[in-house]
Amino acid sequence: QVQLVESGGGVVQPGRSLRLSCAASGFTFSGYSMHWVRQAPGKGLEWMTMISYDGNNKDYADSVKGRFTISRDNSQNTLYLQLNSLRAEDTAIYYCARDGDYGDPRPLDCWGQGTLVSVSS
Amino acid sequence: QSVLTQPPSVSGAPGQRITFSCTGSNSNIGAGLDVHWYQQLPGTAPKLLIYRNNDRPSGVPDRFSGSKSGTSASLVITGLQAEDEADYYCQSYDISLSAYVFGHGTKVTVL
Repeated sequence: QVQLVESGGGVVQPGRSLRLSCAASGFTFSGYSMHWVRQAPGKGLEWMTMISYDGNNKDYADSVKGRFTISRDNSQNTLYLQLNSLRAEDTAIYYCARDGDYGDPRPLDCWGQGTLVSVSS
Repeated sequence: QSVLTQPPSVSGAPGQRITFSCTGSNSNIGAGLDVHWYQQLPGTAPKLLIYRNNDRPSGVPDRFSGSKSGTSASLVITGLQAEDEADYYCQSYDISLSAYVFGHGTKVTVL
């Protein structure tokens, strides 16, 4: 079945970097655009970034533009999120999600279990 | 601050019908863009509940339904059950922000 598994989270000091991964299985990864969404403790969902199926198009929320970079390796069925210059307010669970088949915009139809990033000195 | 406004909480007794809204603007819902709804059970990842305003993914009970009119959308739960206690988020796209947007979320409590 469709599965997304995030990894790479942890505790990191302010100003440092971290790279998150999302391993996809159960579907043709190279045929789907992908998203990263985060959720701060006790807060709502915040969309951060999306990458097209071929990696040629990327969109970012203003809150992370210039600091975070999305990428993908279709040969490895893996999505990445590079987090640079981390701040305390970046502390959150980070979810990867698949862009669905129908709708404008398309829904996020499959989500991973999330990986926790904690930014603290 | 989200551009999609939802009530923070809604409650109902088992078996009741509840409804709650997601209010946007002419740069998102009112621009004819679709609204999707997600259910997030405590301690779990979000799950797609309603897509394209009123369609249900396979496996979602038909007591969940959605609608859209103008700059707003609504989610209805009929025959409320204890297992429906969760946070519910609406989502669309905002043309002015060039970004996907989520509502603040509505916490549903079953009394």
